[in-house]
Amino acid sequence: DGGITQSPKYLFRKEGQNVTLSCEQNLNHDAMYWYRQDPGQGLRLIYYSQIVNDFQKGDIAEGYSVSREKKESFPLTVTSAQKNPTAFYLCASSGTDYGYTFGSGTRLTVV
Amino acid sequence: KNEVEQSPQNLTAQEGEFITINCSYSVGISALHWLQQHPGGGIVSLFMLSSGKKKHGRLIATINIQEKHSSLHITASHPRDSAVYICAGRRGGKLIFGTGTRLQVFP
Repeated sequence: DGGITQSPKYLFRKEGQNVTLSCEQNLNHDAMYWYRQDPGQGLRLIYYSQIVNDFQKGDIAEGYSVSREKKESFPLTVTSAQKNPTAFYLCASSGTDYGYTFGSGTRLTVV
Repeated sequence: KNEVEQSPQNLTAQEGEFITINCSYSVGISALHWLQQHPGGGIVSLFMLSSGKKKHGRLIATINIQEKHSSLHITASHPRDSAVYICAGRRGGKLIFGTGTRLQVFP
């Protein structure tokens, strides 16, 4: 079955360390997105990519980086420059029908 | 003012009740998505609407483009409907999310 796989589901890291969250899709979708969710707030866009080898900053890109070397993969790196990285991170993709598919999320805790 | 606003923030219901969640959005949004987020965090897309009404099982979504308003209805609610329901407006290929409505249905 087609879908999005995010890994790991839970991630713990020490303050000051970079960490990379994985997002893989087998839906043949061109567009992929990374969102951050904090309690009581709507999802906020971190980065998005509409085509391989191209990506754009979203509303809260500071302290994050991404790459899009393959259509299927859109990893997100949370760098030590991100001041408050503890959050729930969701990856999504969309195709030509504008429907969205979401992953199951990664809960990152920085201690 | 948020570009996508939902109400209510929290909703409790008895099993079998009819439930309505509302969403208002601002100019420039071309379509509305309704999403469901379960306690584990994963999100499922329920509906995508740009006009009219859609139905899937006990769920009905409507949109009024002139009033920039959409509603999600759940008929004959059940405890398994307990989740956070999120509306999101699409603008220029990106989604703008509401803060969600937490629904709890008690037996």
